Amino acid sequence: GNSVTQMEGPVTLSEEAFLTINCTYTATGYPSLFWYVQYPGEGLQLLLKATKADDKGSNKGFEATYRKETTSFHLEKGSVQVSDSAVYFCALTMNTGNQFYFGTGTSLTVIP
Amino acid sequence: DADVTQTPRNRITKTGKRIMLECSQTKGHDRMYWYRQDPGLGLRLIYYSFDVKDINKGEISDGYSVSRQAQAKFSLSLESAIPNQTALYFCATSDPSGVGGANVLTFGAGSRLTVL
Repeated sequence: GNSVTQMEGPVTLSEEAFLTINCTYTATGYPSLFWYVQYPGEGLQLLLKATKADDKGSNKGFEATYRKETTSFHLEKGSVQVSDSAVYFCALTMNTGNQFYFGTGTSLTVIP
Repeated sequence: DADVTQTPRNRITKTGKRIMLECSQTKGHDRMYWYRQDPGLGLRLIYYSFDVKDINKGEISDGYSVSRQAQAKFSLSLESAIPNQTALYFCATSDPSGVGGANVLTFGAGSRLTVL
């Protein structure tokens, strides 16, 4: 079946630190991969996506590369800010797009 | 106005009561979803609908029902609420022909339900 496993949280970092949140997936085929972010009191919103192997998604200083050989889509940011404090979800959908599969979410807190 | 609007945003109710959560969207998308979020469990799919005449059960549909009243409206009902249905509920829409070829979800702000 299809599933997503992501790094457990919570994660606490100081401002300007480097961020990595690990995400690996299992899929019976070639999925599209996503990172969604949920700010406090809000719904999830798309952060970045990649639709095929070796694609790099990027947005707001965040990056993730679709690695088929390691079935991974790790989220990185070189210098986090307090405003990046949120819960981050890794997700996949197959090309049919019938269903989305989410990881359990990783809470990030950035302290000044 | 938000692309996906959920009402109510917060609701406290008692065991055994019937509850309806409503969702409306202005995206013009055919596909709509209801998810439930619990701490440590991520998002789990309750029901989804690909058009007005199409309703499908998701991973955790027991105890829930849905109605797709129009392309823009998709409501979730709890016929007889129980405490373990206390959770944050999200409605979402998607367009499989989206930009870049990716089927991206657009979420509402969520409805927090507490069942006492």
